[in-house]
Amino acid sequence: GNSVTQMEGPVTLSEEAFLTINCTYTATGYPSLFWYVQYPGEGLQLLLKATKADDKGSNKGFEATYRKETTSFHLEKGSVQVSDSAVYFCALSPSNTGKLIFGQGTTLQVKP
Amino acid sequence: GAGVSQSPRYKVAKRGQDVALRCDPISGHVSLFWYQQALGQGPEFLTYFQNEAQLDKSGLPSDRFFAERPEGSVSTLKIQRTQQEDSAVYLCASSSGYRGTNTEAFFGQGTRLTVV
Repeated sequence: GNSVTQMEGPVTLSEEAFLTINCTYTATGYPSLFWYVQYPGEGLQLLLKATKADDKGSNKGFEATYRKETTSFHLEKGSVQVSDSAVYFCALSPSNTGKLIFGQGTTLQVKP
Repeated sequence: GAGVSQSPRYKVAKRGQDVALRCDPISGHVSLFWYQQALGQGPEFLTYFQNEAQLDKSGLPSDRFFAERPEGSVSTLKIQRTQQEDSAVYLCASSSGYRGTNTEAFFGQGTRLTVV
């Protein structure tokens, strides 16, 4: 079946630290991969996506590369800010279904 | 409106009561999804509409859950005879593309349902 596993949080970092949030997946076929972010009091927002192997999604300084050989889509940012504090969800969409299968979410807290 | 709107934002229901949750998608969006998010978990897919057609209801947990989108715009998720395990945030998302086109899905803020 299809599933997503992401590292447990919370993750607490100091401002300007390097961020990695691990995400691995299990899927049949050729899914698309996503990172969504939920800021306090707001709805889920798409952060970045990749639709095929070796694609790199990027947005707002965040990056993730679709690695088929390791079934991973780790989220990275070189220098986090306090405003990046949020819950991050890794997700996959099985081919041609449109629906999203989410991981359990990782809370990131960035301290000044 | 500018985004996906859900109402009510909060709903407290007594066990056994029926509830109806409303979703107003972004105007013109053909695809509409419902998800259920339990506390501390990621959202789980419930059902998918393409315009007024419900093409996938594989995630509905029981026959107490029913969703409709009669005119291809506003959608309602109805839960009959609510139980405590139905307590969750119910999220609605819409997108301009048909499923499988990887068009961005825009989420509402959700309805938090608490069954007491």
